[in-house]
Amino acid sequence: DADVTQTPRNRITKTGKRIMLECSQTKGHDRMYWYRQDPGLGLRLIYYSFDVKDINKGEISDGYSVSRQAQAKFSLSLESAIPNQTALYFCATSDFGNEQFFGPGTRLTVL
Amino acid sequence: AQSVTQLGSHVSVSEGALVLLRCNYSSSVPPYLFWYVQYPNQGLQLLLKYTSAATLVKGINGFEAEFKKSETSFHLTKPSAHMSDAAEYFCAVSDRTGGFKTIFGAGTRLFVKA
Repeated sequence: DADVTQTPRNRITKTGKRIMLECSQTKGHDRMYWYRQDPGLGLRLIYYSFDVKDINKGEISDGYSVSRQAQAKFSLSLESAIPNQTALYFCATSDFGNEQFFGPGTRLTVL
Repeated sequence: AQSVTQLGSHVSVSEGALVLLRCNYSSSVPPYLFWYVQYPNQGLQLLLKYTSAATLVKGINGFEAEFKKSETSFHLTKPSAHMSDAAEYFCAVSDRTGGFKTIFGAGTRLFVKA
């Protein structure tokens, strides 16, 4: 089984809808991250969490919120989706200062 | 603040030729440096990492990178490209000033010609 799983893998939605992307990990790591990937822009950090009670904004948090339900679960919400949030979203986990382990990604399209 | 610059959004090489992907970083303290690879329709996976041990780091699939503090560089090389190396490559940096969160470069897409 994969160490980091993301659901759904693909989602098409309409402007104004609320969307939640979920991430689960079996690595036992405290640190979890949400990134979005856009062509030519690499990965940009949306939110990150260094433990269950620690949530931090990344470089592009506007329009997004997160919830760390447990050490293994970190969800990303778009309260009111807009077309420029169409992107590939990745969840990742890590130990302190170490390599990140990525999920397979969620392709989100907002019409 | 940390930052990463990858020179060249696209690099094209012939099969068997040298691969050189460039990465420069900015960090006010000793960094951790990483190269990740992303194959089509997949997430990122680690190629190699530098964490203040040997400056020449060997990774998977024949790739290696050299940490040069004086040049603030961490370029990725492979002596002989293979068709299966075609992918997108990301350089990344983390350090203690950012709580060790990771900052990624914009990526370099590698094309390998037969």
